[in-house]
Amino acid sequence: QKEVEQNSGPLSVPEGAIASLNCTYSDRGSQSFFWYRQYSGKSPELIMFIYSNGDKEDGRFTAQLNKASQYVSLLIRDSQPSDSATYLCAVNNGDNAGNMLTFGGGTRLMVKP
Amino acid sequence: GAGVSQTPSNKVTEKGKYVELRCDPISGHTALYWYRQSLGQGPEFLIYFQGTGAADDSGLPNDRFFAVRPEGSVSTLKIQRTERGDSAVYLCASSPHGGFLNTEAFFGQGTRLTVV
Repeated sequence: QKEVEQNSGPLSVPEGAIASLNCTYSDRGSQSFFWYRQYSGKSPELIMFIYSNGDKEDGRFTAQLNKASQYVSLLIRDSQPSDSATYLCAVNNGDNAGNMLTFGGGTRLMVKP
Repeated sequence: GAGVSQTPSNKVTEKGKYVELRCDPISGHTALYWYRQSLGQGPEFLIYFQGTGAADDSGLPNDRFFAVRPEGSVSTLKIQRTERGDSAVYLCASSPHGGFLNTEAFFGQGTRLTVV
């Protein structure tokens, strides 16, 4: 059973702070990792993907991957109330033709003004 | 259309009835995925199409669930003898080439199915 685990939250941070979202996965063969944001009642939208160990930055977002520890995280700098949403971690192990994703349960982030 | 379109947006059906959920992917996208999302959970993979064929249907929970994509574009997810446990949001996603590596998959807004 391939599992992706996230703390369900809610994670509450003040506006302007750094929000740190964490995810662990069970399948060592996993090759690529994705962070999706999902607003209540809306569909998931891709924020970032990463497949090499280390950090990947895109604007206020930084994804961090540590394959040895089977850990991936998302940092959001200068958090804004509009960042309040559920953040889904998803993993692709690449050994299937379709590269479908296994999702975690999501972490609900609340950014307070 | 500009994005993935799913119809209906909401469907309420009685236990035991048959339902069809439709997905119209982004034009030209060869890969199409169906996921199911229960309240408070992440999306759960159901089935993947590459073109007209179901390349992987390992996520379908049982034989009451079936999906088709006869012309390689629109897909229909069919659920027979619906049960209350089938209540969820059914999400469709498409991507240009198949596979998520280096390729963004775009999700539709979902169909909220409620079985009463």
